[in-house]
Amino acid sequence: DTAVSQTPKYLVTQMGNDKSIKCEQNLGHDTMYWYKQDSKKFLKIMFSYNNKELIINETVPNRFSPKSPDKAHLNLHINSLELGDSAVYFCASSQDLGGRTEAFFGQGTRLTVV
Amino acid sequence: RKEVEQDPGPFNVPEGATVAFNCTYSNSASQSFFWYRQDCRKEPKLLMSVYSSGNEDGRFTAQLNRASQYISLLIRDSKLSDSATYLCVVHMDSNYQLIWGAGTKLIIKP
Repeated sequence: DTAVSQTPKYLVTQMGNDKSIKCEQNLGHDTMYWYKQDSKKFLKIMFSYNNKELIINETVPNRFSPKSPDKAHLNLHINSLELGDSAVYFCASSQDLGGRTEAFFGQGTRLTVV
Repeated sequence: RKEVEQDPGPFNVPEGATVAFNCTYSNSASQSFFWYRQDCRKEPKLLMSVYSSGNEDGRFTAQLNRASQYISLLIRDSKLSDSATYLCVVHMDSNYQLIWGAGTKLIIKP
């Protein structure tokens, strides 16, 4: 019974395309996140939502737009994909906004832009 | 200076040995500290939180040194299954963010 699930697991697409990654958590958590892990393995926060409201929006190109239809879902839509967008994107959730409690991660979406 | 720094390794360690690695953080206002483990091509998972007094969980011991602004992870009697990347994570209440180190890669050899 997967706690945080994201789809697809792999995504290969051409430059200029628009794509979405979906994320759902069944833990009843209030806070959800999108992280990007690049080839150097740094995990960088992109967005944080708490009860469907955007809390953190790091310096991310506005081609990236998160959408939270309810607190159990946080989807990521990416417009006009670029080569530099290739990375692993992780969705995560935690009980509280503060980050004091454990963050649970989805299995990641490996995006390759060609 | 990066906010959270770790030696990327890899640390190549024989099975059964003890291994330790540190993580330094730059912001003295940091309040919570964690070690996460990430297996190859998998998601990070919480290994342990790091408390001011230090804490132990089986073969794993975590320490916090606020004066010198580092945390450490000690693994005793290392197992092949301990091979992974260990990520240091620092949190400040003021900005709701977790700041992640790039990880230390550990390889346990038979």
